[in-house]
Amino acid sequence: QVQVVQSGAEVKKPGASVKVSCKTSGYTFTGYYIHWLRQAPGQGLEWMGWISPYSGNTNYAEKFQGRVTMTRDTSISTAYMELSGLRSDDTAVYYCARGVVVIFDFWGQGTLVTVSS
Amino acid sequence: EIVLTQSPGTLSLSPGERATLSCKASESVNSNFLAWYQQKPGQAPRLLISGASSRAAGVPDRFSGSGSGTDFTLTINRLEPEDFAVYHCQQYGRPPVTFGQGTKVEIK
Repeated sequence: QVQVVQSGAEVKKPGASVKVSCKTSGYTFTGYYIHWLRQAPGQGLEWMGWISPYSGNTNYAEKFQGRVTMTRDTSISTAYMELSGLRSDDTAVYYCARGVVVIFDFWGQGTLVTVSS
Repeated sequence: EIVLTQSPGTLSLSPGERATLSCKASESVNSNFLAWYQQKPGQAPRLLISGASSRAAGVPDRFSGSGSGTDFTLTINRLEPEDFAVYHCQQYGRPPVTFGQGTKVEIK
């Protein structure tokens, strides 16, 4: 069965970077894109971008370009999302999700990133 | 980018009743590329519907999606206790992918 497991909660200071991991199992990792999304407290979902585990190609939402980097390690079926220059409004739950095109059929459990001085 | 507006913000209903949730797009959604997700507190979203009306695997048939162009609806017939949650619509017809702000279905 498909499983998507993310790394644990993080607390960061403004200006720092955070790197969240997303370990997958139960399917061919290189066969599906991995997307990253986030949800600020009490807010809706926001798409951040995707990575192709097969090629390593990425596509980032304009809002995050220059601050986000998505990578993968195919040997351990894991994707990563690093966000730099953290601000208080980056406090959110960050999700990775398997994408069938841009339909998100399996999600990680979410990683709370808190940005606070 | 396409803005999705969901209404109502909160829907208060009793188990067994029908829920009708609306999702309106600021411009036409290509090929009805509209999905619905269910999210319970402290959990990740769960895919319910894609292509405006196709249920995902394992989704009960009391959930149905309809609509086209700019107006889409999620209907939940005979609400079960486990259906009380937040529902999000998402368009994927034109980049970037965007979501509505969500509709909360709560127990009356």
